[in-house]
Amino acid sequence: NAGVTQTPKFRVLKTGQSMTLLCAQDMNHEYMYWYRQDPGMGLRLIHYSVGEGTTAKGEVPDGYNVSRLKKQNFLLGLESAAPSQTSVYFCASSNIWTDMNTEAFFGQGTRLTVV
Amino acid sequence: AQSVTQLDSHVSVSEGTPVLLRCNYSSSYSPSLFWYVQHPNKGLQLLLKYTSAATLVKGINGFEAEFKKSETSFHLTKPSAHMSDAAEYFCVVRGNTGNQFYFGTGTSLTVIP
Repeated sequence: NAGVTQTPKFRVLKTGQSMTLLCAQDMNHEYMYWYRQDPGMGLRLIHYSVGEGTTAKGEVPDGYNVSRLKKQNFLLGLESAAPSQTSVYFCASSNIWTDMNTEAFFGQGTRLTVV
Repeated sequence: AQSVTQLDSHVSVSEGTPVLLRCNYSSSYSPSLFWYVQHPNKGLQLLLKYTSAATLVKGINGFEAEFKKSETSFHLTKPSAHMSDAAEYFCVVRGNTGNQFYFGTGTSLTVIP
């Protein structure tokens, strides 16, 4: 089972460039998330989606946009990259909260450097 | 609001000695709590989860955690550390609307041979 797959795994951008990170899940999960991980700060939520066609802002949404046109895919866009967006980005998915289905499943991460 | 506080940013133990990683949570309802592990340059793997069943939760690789409502704690333990346990550990709570996960800042575990 693939689970949650992120592409690309590594990327170097120049300041001002744009890019899109792709997340795909094959578990038919309703919820999907984008986090960024920075040293000493844990994972912080950028945007999330509770279903196809829906998105919502998380803790640190500025400078990012997202789209969820298909249930299995969640795209994270950087319109004009800044050095402050250098980070490791994780995508995750989870099912609707029930007693049995509670945890999130994570991709392997995308290491982005903005120079 | 929900939040978790990991009380130690770094923990060092000798191989074969017990591990204790501390986590306190803040929640106005009965939470779902998790511990995830992240090995260097890897993704996050679920160690264990608490979902209002047994308060003592057993996870993978010999890890356990005990949910203590009176202390709002969910500490992670292992009786005997192994070199392969060296990693970053995250305590996580699921929000009361069910659609967000809140992370602690992580505890880096070092295992000394």
